[in-house]
Amino acid sequence: EAGVAQSPRYKIIEKRQSVAFWCNPISGHATLYWYQQILGQGPKLLIQFQNNGVVDDSQLPKDRFSAERLKGVDSTLKIQPAKLEDSAVYLCASSLDAGQGLRQPQHFGDGTRLSIL
Amino acid sequence: AQSVTQLGSHVSVSEGALVLLRCNYSSSVPPYLFWYVQYPNQGLQLLLKYTSAATLVKGINGFEAEFKKSETSFHLTKPSAHMSDAAEYFCAVRLNSGGSNYKLTFGKGTLLTVNP
Repeated sequence: EAGVAQSPRYKIIEKRQSVAFWCNPISGHATLYWYQQILGQGPKLLIQFQNNGVVDDSQLPKDRFSAERLKGVDSTLKIQPAKLEDSAVYLCASSLDAGQGLRQPQHFGDGTRLSIL
Repeated sequence: AQSVTQLGSHVSVSEGALVLLRCNYSSSVPPYLFWYVQYPNQGLQLLLKYTSAATLVKGINGFEAEFKKSETSFHLTKPSAHMSDAAEYFCAVRLNSGGSNYKLTFGKGTLLTVNP
């Protein structure tokens, strides 16, 4: 089966600019996750969708970050305006259910590496 | 609050040597624990998981981990390292984030290098 697709793979922008990332999960996966992975740290969950509804966005900086999954399939994550501390790899993952890997594992994309100048 | 601590940000072993990556957890309830591997410029891949069944869990690529409640540990081991094992390894715990919602919280990772 095709894996989780993310684009772009790399993005360089200046601070205060805006940027958007795209994720296409594995076909049939109801749950989609966006993670932020800062260099030297483990991934941190930003937002979790179940179909097209938000399950958890408690760690999403809502003043600058937004995400949507309008048709319950692919998703976009946007940052506007970007700050220097947003430099990170943004990982998208999907799973069949919302059990966080107990029954069905999360499948990760290769990520988008964002550099803020 | 539940969390995981990975001891050692970098571990270096020789090819054929034992691999031991350490993870300790803090939890007030029986935890669900995971080990993930991340190869350069790739996403994470699940190695194995502990879900309160057998305390010795076998995963992919010859890795295994043992859940020890008395030591609050879930260390990852492999008897003989291979060059292809060089990667970053993350321990994670499943947290309840409210109601029936759960999320994974990851440790800071351990970079494994394998020397020929």
